Amino acid sequence: KAGVTQTPRYLIKTRGQQVTLSCSPISGHRSVSWYQQTPGQGLQFLFEYFSETQRNKGNFPGRFSGRQFSNSRSEMNVSTLELGDSALYLCASSPSGTGVGHTEAFFGQGTRLTVV
Amino acid sequence: DAKTTQPPSMDCAEGRAANLPCNHSTISGNEYVYWYRQIHSQGPQYIIHGLKNNETNEMASLIITEDRKSSTLILPHATLRDTAVYYCIVTSGGSNYKLTFGKGTLLTVNP
Repeated sequence: KAGVTQTPRYLIKTRGQQVTLSCSPISGHRSVSWYQQTPGQGLQFLFEYFSETQRNKGNFPGRFSGRQFSNSRSEMNVSTLELGDSALYLCASSPSGTGVGHTEAFFGQGTRLTVV
Repeated sequence: DAKTTQPPSMDCAEGRAANLPCNHSTISGNEYVYWYRQIHSQGPQYIIHGLKNNETNEMASLIITEDRKSSTLILPHATLRDTAVYYCIVTSGGSNYKLTFGKGTLLTVNP
């Protein structure tokens, strides 16, 4: 069974630009979460989508947004990039993300975004 | 979600058991304890989770104290490939599903 696929793996953008990152979850998984990892702040939760609806959101500015499609694939968008947005962006999928049966999250390899 | 406290670093000799502690004294009744690890520059990897009973799988064992205020992850025979940052996470899941990562414990397995 294929794992979580994130594209692209590496990206360099200029300050002020916008960027879209993509995540294909494991087949059958309906919950997709996004995380930002930086050396200073560690791993921080951005948002979670379940059945095309944003169900939970972390403490990030509105420049960070996302969406989920009917096939559970998800994208996240960062507008008006700042130098501090340079980070590893990780996507995780799980079957339901709910407390029922409590399952684990499967992470992708991440997209390394560098803002110059 | 309850907060967790872990030692910043630990060392272990190859072949020996690695015991990684985690304190979660404010855990509530519906919260599970999860362990993930992250090998350098890779996505975190799920290890094990539990509610109140001890759990074991092919990777590790999870020992949760009776009062659920702390837990220990045990890697029975550590190898060099187990060198990673280990995160202990407490979450209730449901509509508030998210993983709150702390700083974790850097486990270094030495030859």
